[in-house]
Order: sequence, then C-alpha cells, then structure tokens
Amino acid sequence: GENVEQHPSTLSVQEGDSAVIKCTYSDSASNYFPWYKQELGKRPQLIIDIRSNVGEKKDQRIAVTLNKTAKHFSLHITETQPEDSAVYFCAASNGLGGNKLVFGAGTILRVKS
Amino acid sequence: DADVTQTPRNRITKTGKRIMLECSQTKGHDRMYWYRQDPGLGLRLIYYSFDVKDINKGEISDGYSVSRQAQAKFSLSLESAIPNQTALYFCATSEPLAGAVETQYFGPGTRLLVL
Repeated sequence: GENVEQHPSTLSVQEGDSAVIKCTYSDSASNYFPWYKQELGKRPQLIIDIRSNVGEKKDQRIAVTLNKTAKHFSLHITETQPEDSAVYFCAASNGLGGNKLVFGAGTILRVKS
Repeated sequence: DADVTQTPRNRITKTGKRIMLECSQTKGHDRMYWYRQDPGLGLRLIYYSFDVKDINKGEISDGYSVSRQAQAKFSLSLESAIPNQTALYFCATSEPLAGAVETQYFGPGTRLLVL
C-alpha cells in the first residue's frame, strides 16, 4: 500500500523567511496530493492540493510542486508570518480504497517573530 | 468547518467501557470517514462509508465499529475501550467528484482518554 514520508518533523524559521516541507510517496498510481494545516486544538484544514496532471500550483504565499518521476511533492510558504505556525500534513491518494488519504506524520512549523 | 460537527468534544472513559462518538454533517455529502490522530503518526483511516448501505474498513479498524444511521450521521463505537485507543478522533466528509479524488473536510475532533 501507499506510504508517505514527510520531512522535516519540525521546522523553525524567522518571520519573513520561506519554509519548505517535503513529502515522498511510494505508490506511482497516486494522483491527488492535498496539504492540510492544523492549528493547535483545531481541525485539519485544506490549504492547497495538486493533482497529478499539473506540476505546480500557487495560491498567494503558498505553492505546491509535484515531481511524479521522483514521487515527491513539496509545500512552499513564502514571507512566513507568525500565524503560519501550525502542524502541516501532506497526504496522497490513488483514488482507490474509498479515496483513502494516506497522511504523512506531520511537520511542526514555528515562525519566530 | 462548522458544517461538520462531532460529539462529544472531549471524553474520559475507563478500560472496558463501551463508548460512541458521533458525527453529523449538514454539507449534504454522501461520503463520510473516521480517522484517528496520534502524535508522530499523522491521521489514519478507521472506517469509511460511501452511503447509508455502504460501510468499509480502513487501515486500523480492529477494536472499532461504525454505524451510518442516515446520510448526515456516522457514528464510531469502541465496544470495549483500551488505553491505546487514547487519541484524537476526526470525522470527515466528501462529495464524489467524477473521475477524480475529492477533497475531504474535517470535523472539530473528539479527544478521547481511556484510563
């Protein structure tokens, strides 16, 4: 089955700097890759997703890139702000097994002001 | 997302007790899911349901059961709770998207402690 690895597990950046979180997946049939942000005590919220027919997607300060050949995808946050501090989860799905999302273990992002 | 609600939000129970966690949604979505979240492990799928008559096991269904009482309601039961079921439980919903994997929307979570 699918396995998703996420790195780093923790990331500290200075306000205004960029943050990059990387995930690798094992199932070449995976075609949907969402990123969720979870603030302390809150639910995971979808912040951006990408499908396998595109290589990059942007939404303001957030971007995701996908390399299908290498089977990895990355979240890029530019001009980080304190409110970006949260746990970020990547996930992958091949659309089978009930559209099951397989999640990475999460990255704790701390933005220092 | 206020359209997906979970009750209770917090629960403390004892080993061996039966407990039910409930999820309701007003999004009109057909598909519902139960996940558990443990530190360092991300979220793992317990059960999912594509409609009232369709229930499927996820990757960690042992020790759990579910009931889909209506399109809007999906309950998770722990028949005999054990301490390693202490976790944060999330319900999620989605709507079928032709030819593609759809987005899942999560409820606020239930924090369960089994003593």
